Amino acid sequence: DIQMTQSPSSLSASVGDRVTITCRASQNIIIYLNWYQQKPGKAPKLLIYAASSLQSGAPSRFSGSGSGTDFTLTISSLQPEDFATYYCQQSYSPPRTFGQGTNVEIK
Amino acid sequence: EVQLVESGGGLVQPGGSLRLSCAASGFTFSSYWMTWVRQAPGKGLEWVANIKQDGSEKYYVDSMKGRFTISRDNAMNSLFLQMNSLRAEDTAVYYCAREGSSWRSADYWGQGTLVTVSS
Repeated sequence: DIQMTQSPSSLSASVGDRVTITCRASQNIIIYLNWYQQKPGKAPKLLIYAASSLQSGAPSRFSGSGSGTDFTLTISSLQPEDFATYYCQQSYSPPRTFGQGTNVEIK
Repeated sequence: EVQLVESGGGLVQPGGSLRLSCAASGFTFSSYWMTWVRQAPGKGLEWVANIKQDGSEKYYVDSMKGRFTISRDNAMNSLFLQMNSLRAEDTAVYYCAREGSSWRSADYWGQGTLVTVSS
């Protein structure tokens, strides 16, 4: 199985900050990498697919980059509604494993 | 509007069985892979299984192989997860999700159904 490792596991940031979350795959997944946002008590929402494509309806302050084994999710200017947990997921092969999550908290 | 509505969760004793359902609407169900993902209380997301459009291919995470069975009924626009030999560690919210066509991302999710395994 492909292992996905996210870092950091949590971070504190202020509104307006630029935030970067990284995700590393244990083998080459090309660009089969997705990012999800989850708020407490809610289902996850797809933000980014194919490493860098913005899902319809997701704010443009979210962007993704990377290929192969190393990927990044960037929030260009953190907004109050962005405080949540973010997960990466590989969709290269089943099982379609998730990273352990990154909790973005208010500083 | 795409909608996925899970049902069938509840309290079950260790060793028991439960069948989850997911009713789909607002899209051509038979054209998409479908997925189950679970989340234990306070924990991260765990991918469980997925199934091809016609049901001919199914994949599971190793820890659930042989205990869980994913299936679908395209005539009823429904996805199922049969869970047997349930353990306390299977306690979680179970989500069904649609896999987007090209990049296999989970682009729509249901609200989840809670399964509690306890005596």
